[in-house]
Amino acid sequence: DVKVTQSSRYLVKRTGEKVFLECVQDMDHENMFWYRQDPGLGLRLIYFSYDVKMKEKGDIPEGYSVSREKKERFSLILESASTNQTSMYLCASSLRTSGETQYFGPGTRLLVL
Amino acid sequence: QKEVEQNSGPLSVPEGAIASLNCTYSDRVSQSFFWYRQYSGKSPELIMSIYSNGDKEDGRFTAQLNKASQYVSLLIRDSQPSDSATYLCAVRSGGYQKVTFGTGTKLQVIP
Repeated sequence: DVKVTQSSRYLVKRTGEKVFLECVQDMDHENMFWYRQDPGLGLRLIYFSYDVKMKEKGDIPEGYSVSREKKERFSLILESASTNQTSMYLCASSLRTSGETQYFGPGTRLLVL
Repeated sequence: QKEVEQNSGPLSVPEGAIASLNCTYSDRVSQSFFWYRQYSGKSPELIMSIYSNGDKEDGRFTAQLNKASQYVSLLIRDSQPSDSATYLCAVRSGGYQKVTFGTGTKLQVIP
């Protein structure tokens, strides 16, 4: 079974703090993704990576950065957290071959005060 | 215009009925289509994928794809209360690995 884990289920941070969200997958997947999910807006892609040290912007990259130093780990960084970044953050991974399933982690609910 | 559109619902059906969930997409070159189920407070999980026109059946679930009409649907036969969840349509276009998700349709199966 594919397992995608995220470092925290719930996180409370202050405006202006630097926030790190970590995601680890154990199935040797090439692709990894960070989404945020908000009511009425659905899942929106922030960044994705198709290989170590490679990253591509998604639909809403502003205010975020990512790091992928190892194949199994993909980190999302909020350089200076703002209240509008309060959301559910979901990490996913998939094989590189086209059309493969994305496997999601349990999510991190981030509250920025 | 949103790239992937779904009716947000809720769609309420009685137990044992057929639930029909619909999704339209805007990119004509879209190649792969997925239905994910998301229970409240949980993360999405894939239930069906479809790549060519026509129907694909898996147990009580049938995915239907019509590329000419840019339309994909999910039918759930003999709906059960355990099917109550939000169903996300996802579409992959081009050679990239990213998919675009719809906002989801909430399904309620009434016992």
